[in-house]
Amino acid sequence: AQSVTQPDIHITVSEGASLELRCNYSYGATPYLFWYVQSPGQGLQLLLKYFSGDTLVQGIKGFEAEFKRSQSSFNLRKPSVHWSDAAEYFCAAYAGNMLTFGGGTRLMVKP
Amino acid sequence: NAGVTQTPKFQVLKTGQSMTLQCAQDMNHEYMSWYRQDPGMGLRLIHYSVGAGITDQGEVPNGYNVSRSTTEDFPLRLLSAAPSQTSVYFCASSYRSEEKLFFGSGTQLSVL
Repeated sequence: AQSVTQPDIHITVSEGASLELRCNYSYGATPYLFWYVQSPGQGLQLLLKYFSGDTLVQGIKGFEAEFKRSQSSFNLRKPSVHWSDAAEYFCAAYAGNMLTFGGGTRLMVKP
Repeated sequence: NAGVTQTPKFQVLKTGQSMTLQCAQDMNHEYMSWYRQDPGMGLRLIHYSVGAGITDQGEVPNGYNVSRSTTEDFPLRLLSAAPSQTSVYFCASSYRSEEKLFFGSGTQLSVL
C-alpha cells in the first residue's frame, strides 16, 4: 500500500539552531512530493514541492528539501529556526489523483 | 477572492443524525477534496472530485457521501453520524489534482 511516514512526532529545537524533519514514502514509482505547514487552528500552507529535476528544492520561509531516491526520502531542512516556525509539518505524496499525508511532526522552538 | 469557504466552523451532532458540511471555492478550480484530521494520523482523504459530475473515493470514504453538481461547490454528507466521525474536516481545492492545494479553515465536528 502507498504510504508516507514521518518518524518524528515531536521535535524541539532552540531558536537559531538548524532543523531537519524526516519523511519517507513507499510507492511503486516516485510520486510527486510536498511539504505543508499548519499553524495552530489554521488550514495547511504549501512550503515546497518536488516533481522532477534538481533534487534540492527551495521553498518559502527559508525552507528547503532534498529528494533521495535511494532512501525513498524527502527531508525538510532549515539552517536557522525562528520562533515563528513553531507549527505542525506534514509531508505528502501525490499519485493517481490522490494526495496522501504523513502523520505530521510538531515542531516546538525554545527561546 | 474568498478562496475556499467551509461552513459551519463548529458542529455538535448526536449519534445517528445526518448533516452536510459545505465547501465552496471561487478560484475556478477543477479539483476538490475532503480530508479529516485526527491527532497523530495526519490528514486522511475521504473523497475527491476532478471536475463537476465526477467524484471518487479516497482512503476513508465509509459513512460519507459527496456530490459535485457545480465547479464551485463540493458538499460532504454524513448519513448517520457516529462517534468515530468526531474529527476536524478540511476541504481543499486546486486547479489540477497534482498542483498546490488551497485549504479551507476547517470544521470541528463532535458526535456524541
